[in-house]
Amino acid sequence: KQEVTQIPAALSVPEGENLVLNCSFTDSAIYNLQWFRQDPGKGLTSLLLIQSSQREQTSGRLNASLDKSSGRSTLYIAASQPGDSATYLCAVRDSGGSNYKLTFGKGTLLTVNP
Amino acid sequence: GAGVSQSPSNKVTEKGKDVELRCDPISGHTALYWYRQRLGQGLEFLIYFQGNSAPDKSGLPSDRFSAERTGESVSTLTIQRTQQEDSAVYLCASSLGHTGELFFGEGSRLTVL
Repeated sequence: KQEVTQIPAALSVPEGENLVLNCSFTDSAIYNLQWFRQDPGKGLTSLLLIQSSQREQTSGRLNASLDKSSGRSTLYIAASQPGDSATYLCAVRDSGGSNYKLTFGKGTLLTVNP
Repeated sequence: GAGVSQSPSNKVTEKGKDVELRCDPISGHTALYWYRQRLGQGLEFLIYFQGNSAPDKSGLPSDRFSAERTGESVSTLTIQRTQQEDSAVYLCASSLGHTGELFFGEGSRLTVL
């Protein structure tokens, strides 16, 4: 059974700092991996989707990498801003018959201090 | 619409009452998911619909929970005889195909008194 772990559970940084959020998964047979952010009381907003054949994806100040063989993905946020404060979740979609299902991590709560 | 739409955004009900939550997916998205998120907890898979295929109901926590979807349109999640433990945010998501990027609605916050 796939398990997804996100470390750290919470992170507080000063504005302007570059930071890395980590996501690890136990079964490397994945189809794709998706990063989301969730603001308090809101739904999840998709940030980046990485297919299993890709090594990284970039969107603005965000860069997500995928090392499937080691079961790890990182989300790099450059020049962090207070508006980046949110919970960041990663979700893994397994390959195989039930590849419509995603397994979510519990998230990393990021606080960017002005 | 442009995104996944859910209603109501907030629902307060008394224990024992039935509630119905609605999800309107992105137009053209064949796959639709319901998740539950209890306060401070992760996402819990409830049910998955894909086109006209039989849904995967394996995540529904009890027979008080049911969901319907007509074709590739609106879905409703019904909770009968609500309990306090049902209090949570119910999130709906849709994707283009069963392996595509997932897009979420804003959720329906259910409070059972």
